[in-house]
Amino acid sequence: EVQLVESGGDLIEPGGSLRLSCATSGFTFSTFSMNWVRQAPGKGLEWLSYISGSGNTIYYADSVKGRFTISRDNAKSSLYFQMSFLRPEDTAVYYCVSPPSSGANFRLDYWGQGTLVTVSP
Amino acid sequence: DIVMTQSPDSLAVSLGERATINCKSSQSILYNSNNKNYLTWYQQKPGQPPKLLIYWASTRESGVPDRFSGSGSGTEFTLTISSLQAEDVAVYYCQQYYTTPLTFGGGTKVEIK
Repeated sequence: EVQLVESGGDLIEPGGSLRLSCATSGFTFSTFSMNWVRQAPGKGLEWLSYISGSGNTIYYADSVKGRFTISRDNAKSSLYFQMSFLRPEDTAVYYCVSPPSSGANFRLDYWGQGTLVTVSP
Repeated sequence: DIVMTQSPDSLAVSLGERATINCKSSQSILYNSNNKNYLTWYQQKPGQPPKLLIYWASTRESGVPDRFSGSGSGTEFTLTISSLQAEDVAVYYCQQYYTTPLTFGGGTKVEIK
């Protein structure tokens, strides 16, 4: 069974930094691409970033490009999201999301429970 | 970027009646080489992450009740709940995975009339 468990969410001041983690199990992590998706309170879903299984291919949404960095540690089956220069509009639940198989790169089938990031003075 | 537009924003349907949600993409998300539409439907209940219902526009995920169906091709898609049950009250999202940035529709809130 695929399990994705996010952690690292916190209350942080504008301009600050935070690192989110996603611990995974139940699949061969190193062969799967991974994604981060967020949802602001009461709002819709916003895809933020993709990383290939090897880590060699990375994509970002314009809203976070240059401020956030996705990375992975395949030895630890873990995904990370380094968030810098945080803004109040980054306040959201952040989800770690995986595809159903190693070949289905952009499918968003499995979701963690999410971790809440609140950016406020 | 591919813009996904859902309608209506909200929908109130009587128990046992049909609910229909529409989703339009700003460009075709049909990949000609495999004749597949790169579209997914999700259901989200309060306090929970989205749950996958439909992928490839019309393939039901394992375990999803058969009252949920997806249809459409190219740029216009529909999610139909054939007989609304109380547990179907939720927000429904469409999403394209044809290309990055991956994009979602704004969501449709389904309630009981």
